[in-house]
Amino acid sequence: GDSVTQMEGPVTLSEEAFLTINCTYTATGYPSLFWYVQYPGEGLQLLLKATKADDKGSNKGFEATYRKETTSFHLEKGSVQVSDSAVYFCALTPYTNAGKSTFGDGTTLTVKP
Amino acid sequence: DTGVSQNPRHKITKRGQNVTFRCDPISEHNRLYWYRQTLGQGPEFLTYFQNEAQLEKSRLLSDRFSAERPKGSFSTLEIQRTEQGDSAMYLCASSGLGQGTRTFFGQGTRLTVV
Repeated sequence: GDSVTQMEGPVTLSEEAFLTINCTYTATGYPSLFWYVQYPGEGLQLLLKATKADDKGSNKGFEATYRKETTSFHLEKGSVQVSDSAVYFCALTPYTNAGKSTFGDGTTLTVKP
Repeated sequence: DTGVSQNPRHKITKRGQNVTFRCDPISEHNRLYWYRQTLGQGPEFLTYFQNEAQLEKSRLLSDRFSAERPKGSFSTLEIQRTEQGDSAMYLCASSGLGQGTRTFFGQGTRLTVV
């Protein structure tokens, strides 16, 4: 079945540091790929998505590129802020069902001033 | 439109009791999903509805779990004879039809079985 593997956390960075959170996946067909963010005490929010190979999703300074050849969708941000502290989840959905998602286990990011 | 709404937000129950959670999706969304999230893990798919029809159930959904979506609007998730292992966050999500549609999540119901 489908699966998503994220780099293990937690990740602690200083403000303005570069962020990379690795994500690789296993799926049949052509899934869509997502990054969700969960701030403390809040629900899951879509951060960015990509629906086909070589697409780049971007939002709020975060970027991720759909790499079919390496089955990866790594999240990056050039300069993190304290407000980016949250749990980040990589996820995929199969082409045939846009809401039935498979999630990674999440990576907790803490940004220190 | 206030997004996906779940009630209650928190539920503490004794082992062996039955509990029921409610989810109100975004009104025009045809699809509704239930997920379970335990501490330190990502959400795991439980089941989904398209309108009032329950189209898929995960093997995680034991016989003690039942979900309904009468009239294709709100949904309920019932857990009978709760066990401590049922303690988790139960998430509801909804989406429209089609490949490009976005899925919206509720804030979840946190269940603690004591």
